Amino acid sequence: NAGVTQTPKFQVLKTGQSMTLQCAQDMNHNSMYWYRQDPGMGLRLIYYSASEGTTDKGEVPNGYNVSRLNKREFSLRLESAAPSQTSVYFCASSEGTVYNEQFFGPGTRLTVL
Amino acid sequence: LAKTTQPISMDSYEGQEVNITCSHNNIATNDYITWYQQFPSQGPRFIIQGYKTKVTNEVASLFIPADRKSSTLSLPRVSLSDTAVYYCPFGNQGGKLIFGQGTELSVKP
Repeated sequence: NAGVTQTPKFQVLKTGQSMTLQCAQDMNHNSMYWYRQDPGMGLRLIYYSASEGTTDKGEVPNGYNVSRLNKREFSLRLESAAPSQTSVYFCASSEGTVYNEQFFGPGTRLTVL
Repeated sequence: LAKTTQPISMDSYEGQEVNITCSHNNIATNDYITWYQQFPSQGPRFIIQGYKTKVTNEVASLFIPADRKSSTLSLPRVSLSDTAVYYCPFGNQGGKLIFGQGTELSVKP
């Protein structure tokens, strides 16, 4: 099992450009999450999907949109990138929402110039 | 706003036992307490989880007092490879994990 995979690993954007970060899991998990981690900081939840067909805002949703494409895939879209969105983005999944053991992907390092 | 508070950093030596304490402000009745480990350039990795009293697995022990307003992660006999950042998020039933800044543990030879 690959676990949680993310693409791309690195990306450089110019201010105003758009892009989609992809995330997939092969553990048949119901719940998926997107976090961002700024240098020297902890993780902050952007959006999450408790189950296929549902999405909800986290702590810092402004400037992002998400799509739960199917049970395996959960994408994060930046419509108009800003330098403040320079960060490392982690996707995670869990079997459900109650017991909180989340499995994280390797991250996407995004720089917005 | 519910959050956790941990020491920013800790130093230890190989072979020592390390205890990292976390305070949980406004933890809800149904929240579980979890601990994660993160190495540089990697995503966090789950270590241990508990609700109250003591939990032990092959990696660590977790001590939670009766009032659940804090928890202590205990790492027995640390090695250099335990150098990492340790987080103690807690989550509600919606699945949201609130991560604080974490504790940067440095293990020296």
